[in-house]
Amino acid sequence: DSGVTQTPKHLITATGQRVTLRCSPRSGDLSVYWYQQSLDQGLQFLIQYYNGEERAKGNILERFSAQQFPDLHSELNLSSLELGDSALYFCASSVVPTETQYFGPGTRLLVL
Amino acid sequence: SQQGEEDPQALSIQEGENATMNCSYKTSINNLQWYRQNSGRGLVHLILIRSNEREKHSGRLRVTLDTSKKSSSLLITASRAADTASYFCATGEIQGAQKLVFGQGTRLTINP
Repeated sequence: DSGVTQTPKHLITATGQRVTLRCSPRSGDLSVYWYQQSLDQGLQFLIQYYNGEERAKGNILERFSAQQFPDLHSELNLSSLELGDSALYFCASSVVPTETQYFGPGTRLLVL
Repeated sequence: SQQGEEDPQALSIQEGENATMNCSYKTSINNLQWYRQNSGRGLVHLILIRSNEREKHSGRLRVTLDTSKKSSSLLITASRAADTASYFCATGEIQGAQKLVFGQGTRLTINP
């Protein structure tokens, strides 16, 4: 158990819908990261937050947004969902950027 | 874009043999990390080697880092069926947003 929790574990929804994925980092970790993993794209970095502020953006679509709250948990919002958004979404946390990241179990999203 | 490039993309060996995976990167780093991912699960941190270190051991794992060649290798000795997984290298970038950049991974299969 990494100490990072993600909910829900599985999500099935339809195209055009909006979903919210939630992540609670390890106690004491200020950095939170979101990744998307699909079969054909590998592990894609989406976005990083540090102590409530956005620090880095990766290949995140405009339809996706995220935030980190004062209690350090984070949410990833995916809207206008498309079939191609079906993937595993991982959250990770670390004490500081570039150091060891601890990954959550992931949310498996299926868009039908 | 991905910085770390693992080689080979897939490796299949017999139980008890040693497995070697390589990672090359492009920019200056402050550390390089290796992670393991069992199918559909979150990534698990294995080992971190800093830019001023050349070799590091952890159990049956041995990691080397050659900053002049911008490359690293992960050696798993006396492989076991439980080592079957995907292995990713991740580089801690010095410049820019100071984030980890993951490679595409090596899929390791240990045959009993």
